Amino acid sequence: AQSVTQLDSQVPVFEEAPVELRCNYSSSVSVYLFWYVQYPNQGLQLLLKYLSGSTLVKGINGFEAEFNKSQTSFHLRKPSVHISDTAEYFCAVSHSSASKIIFGSGTRLSIRP
Amino acid sequence: KAGVTQTPRYLIKTRGQQVTLSCSPISGHRSVSWYQQTPGQGLQFLFEYFSETQRNKGNFPGRFSGRQFSNSRSEMNVSTLELGDSALYLCASSLVAGAGDTQYFGPGTRLTVL
Repeated sequence: AQSVTQLDSQVPVFEEAPVELRCNYSSSVSVYLFWYVQYPNQGLQLLLKYLSGSTLVKGINGFEAEFNKSQTSFHLRKPSVHISDTAEYFCAVSHSSASKIIFGSGTRLSIRP
Repeated sequence: KAGVTQTPRYLIKTRGQQVTLSCSPISGHRSVSWYQQTPGQGLQFLFEYFSETQRNKGNFPGRFSGRQFSNSRSEMNVSTLELGDSALYLCASSLVAGAGDTQYFGPGTRLTVL
């Protein structure tokens, strides 16, 4: 069975500072990995996904993530955050042969001016 | 292209009642998945439909059911509501039910059970 662990429930950072949101997964088979963002009172929006190929994945809004198979991690990074990045971020995994997505518990990113 | 729409956006029901939520996928998308989001349990997969057939089901009791119509619109039904069913119910659509397919989420229906 697959599972996803987001190590930080909340991450406060100052505006224009870099940020890293951590995600580890466990699975005995090949997986696809995703990062979604949820703004207040909205649904989820896909930031980026890793299916195969280059382990560095670039997404929307200046975010990127690196797939590390040996450490079973898929950490999300942004070099300089903006107030508008305040949201909850979810890491997710799916089996490479099924479309069901398993989500992590989420990390709330709060940006201080 | 219009996004995923969910109706109603907000619902208040009492214990024991039943409720039906609706989801209209993005035009051309044939797969619809449903998720329940609560503060305690987070985001949990309910079920997935493709071409009017349920392809996957999560670990929810039989009170939770769904269906998909020939135009890909989907409904989910919860019978005999319990307080713990209070949640944000999210619907997501994708082109096909393929692994790795991008799922596009609607804004959700917030259900409150009193």
